[in-house]
Amino acid sequence: KNQVEQSPQSLIILEGKNCTLQCNYTVSPFSNLRWYKQDTGRGPVSLTIMTFSENTKSNGRYTATLDADTKQSSLHITASQLSDSASYICVVSPQINDYKLSFGAGTTVTVRA
Amino acid sequence: DAGVIQSPRHEVTEMGQEVTLRCKPISGHNSLFWYRQTMMRGLELLIYFNNNVPIDDSGMPEDRFSAKMPNASFSTLKIQPSEPRDSAVYFCASRRERGGTDTQYFGPGTRLTVL
Repeated sequence: KNQVEQSPQSLIILEGKNCTLQCNYTVSPFSNLRWYKQDTGRGPVSLTIMTFSENTKSNGRYTATLDADTKQSSLHITASQLSDSASYICVVSPQINDYKLSFGAGTTVTVRA
Repeated sequence: DAGVIQSPRHEVTEMGQEVTLRCKPISGHNSLFWYRQTMMRGLELLIYFNNNVPIDDSGMPEDRFSAKMPNASFSTLKIQPSEPRDSAVYFCASRRERGGTDTQYFGPGTRLTVL
């Protein structure tokens, strides 16, 4: 069973609108949680990183939240742009063997004009 | 600063042929990873090198897969013989391991199609 579950699988939004992506994980104990953005035909790029003691982190129009008690994270995209169309992957790193990342299946976001 | 470089970007081959994928990590990074991405299974770690030494190859699917890192600036992933089920996007990633929240930087990937 995947230790990182993401929802929704995909979503379509209009340019300028906001959206929120969800991530639930069971990795424990965990070191940090990242959100990666993967454009079509490209490798994943790290957007945000949060350790267990952090509950929010922003990167421009991207804001990630973390609730370590409920093992949930969200990624909020504000005022979406066409360039936000991509797959967003939630990635959890364990405390032990921190290189063994657990990847979610990703949420595909399509922004339409 | 150049990122992780992978070649080729696309590879189409016939079943049974040998395939070699290449990776140049970011200069100064001491850890290198090979991943495979498919629609069905997402991103999977194949092998992890630290200071050019293979540390964890438990993700290598079978003996047909092998990886080498002869020096700090070059790594290869070889599949011999290739099979249609090996079709996937293969990513190389590197990081500077200092302890803590070290980021893995991914290359652009090699899309492999085995006919």
